Amino acid sequence: SAVISQKPSRDICQRGTSLTIQCQVDSQVTMMFWYRQQPGQSLTLIATANQGSEATYESGFVIDKFPISRPNLTFSTLTVSNMSPEDSSIYLCSVARKWDHEQFFGPGTRLTVL
Amino acid sequence: AQKITQTQPGMFVQEKEAVTLDCTYDTSDQSYGLFWYKQPSSGEMIFLIYQGSYDEQNATEGRYSLNFQKARKSANLVISASQLGDSAMYFCAMRELAGGTSYGKLTFGQGTILTVHP
Repeated sequence: SAVISQKPSRDICQRGTSLTIQCQVDSQVTMMFWYRQQPGQSLTLIATANQGSEATYESGFVIDKFPISRPNLTFSTLTVSNMSPEDSSIYLCSVARKWDHEQFFGPGTRLTVL
Repeated sequence: AQKITQTQPGMFVQEKEAVTLDCTYDTSDQSYGLFWYKQPSSGEMIFLIYQGSYDEQNATEGRYSLNFQKARKSANLVISASQLGDSAMYFCAMRELAGGTSYGKLTFGQGTILTVHP
């Protein structure tokens, strides 16, 4: 298994500001992903964080709004930019190793935008 | 495209009884994996069990078992001897395994809220 930490665990932010969420894994992983869970909804994939290159975004998500970095095999950040109340969600980091069927999630960052 | 359907928005079960949470899926892939996660009110996603599309035996992990019926494209989660701590949201998810561009991406169902009564 992998131990994943996320910072911050929760935050309350003002409209128009930005928040950067950190995801740290205790061991090297092949793949890192960022998911969003809006209130009362299921999880939706935002993007795949690629080490040393630009993230791969899913339909409906763009780099200007959700810039992602992944400088190495154990760390990634997601920034939620120019926030609006619609961005209020739980943001979850997920990791997987290629050829390993297990896929784990961090504890999540609960974001409220006022 | 992959799709996961969980038709039970909420389920109730008596403590110590068994409960089955339904999950059906749709995919044109031959190689895929099916997952179940538990999400308590704290929001964390707890991995419960995994079934590969080529696994002949149903997966089991302690009190959790996965009833995999490939021809029916169903992957139901069975929780035996329910406990009060099992009350949570449960998500079924699927992942392509073939190594294409969508490798590793999980597609989730809408979830089932399970309430265990004492």
